[in-house]
Amino acid sequence: NAGVTQTPKFRILKIGQSMTLQCTQDMNHNYMYWYRQDPGMGLKLIYYSVGAGITDKGEVPNGYNVSRSTTEDFPLRLELAAPSQTSVYFCASSYLGEETQYFGPGTRLLVL
Amino acid sequence: GESVGLHLPTLSVQEGDNSIINCAYSNSASDYFIWYKQESGKGPQFIIDIRSNMDKRQGQRVTVLLNKTVKHLSLQIAATQPGDSAVYFCAENDGTSYGKLTFGQGTILTVHP
Repeated sequence: NAGVTQTPKFRILKIGQSMTLQCTQDMNHNYMYWYRQDPGMGLKLIYYSVGAGITDKGEVPNGYNVSRSTTEDFPLRLELAAPSQTSVYFCASSYLGEETQYFGPGTRLLVL
Repeated sequence: GESVGLHLPTLSVQEGDNSIINCAYSNSASDYFIWYKQESGKGPQFIIDIRSNMDKRQGQRVTVLLNKTVKHLSLQIAATQPGDSAVYFCAENDGTSYGKLTFGQGTILTVHP
């Protein structure tokens, strides 16, 4: 199993541009999550999904959107990039939602 | 709001010493706790977990202690090695059905040869 994979690894965006961060897991996990990690800080939950077709907001959802059309994929969309969205984004998944979350390698995003 | 925090932001130890990383949590409803290790440029990696019905759990060279009375969690690393150098995060699950984790700020562990 590849686990949780994320693309791209790094991206520079101009203010106002949009992009989609991709996340795929091959562990047949029900639950998937998106976090952002600012320098020197812990992770903050942006959105999560408990299964295909079901998503909900986390702690810091503003400026982001998600979709979950399949069990494997959970893309994160930034519609109008802002400098405040400069961060490292981590996708994670878990099987039952109460157990360990497994993280991808992250996407580093710089908005200028 | 509820939060998970760490007492020490940095910890420096000599190779071979034992390391103790502490974490305070404030949500009394939390019933599941995890320690993650994050190396530079990588995603968090699971180390060990513990449920609220336990006081202690041991893994390979690591032990997690949970004191529910004072809402305190600690990670003990035995015979610390240079490869243990990383940022360590504690996280708590507040008992909701979707497995939401609340992360602390993190402790930087530096192991000197």
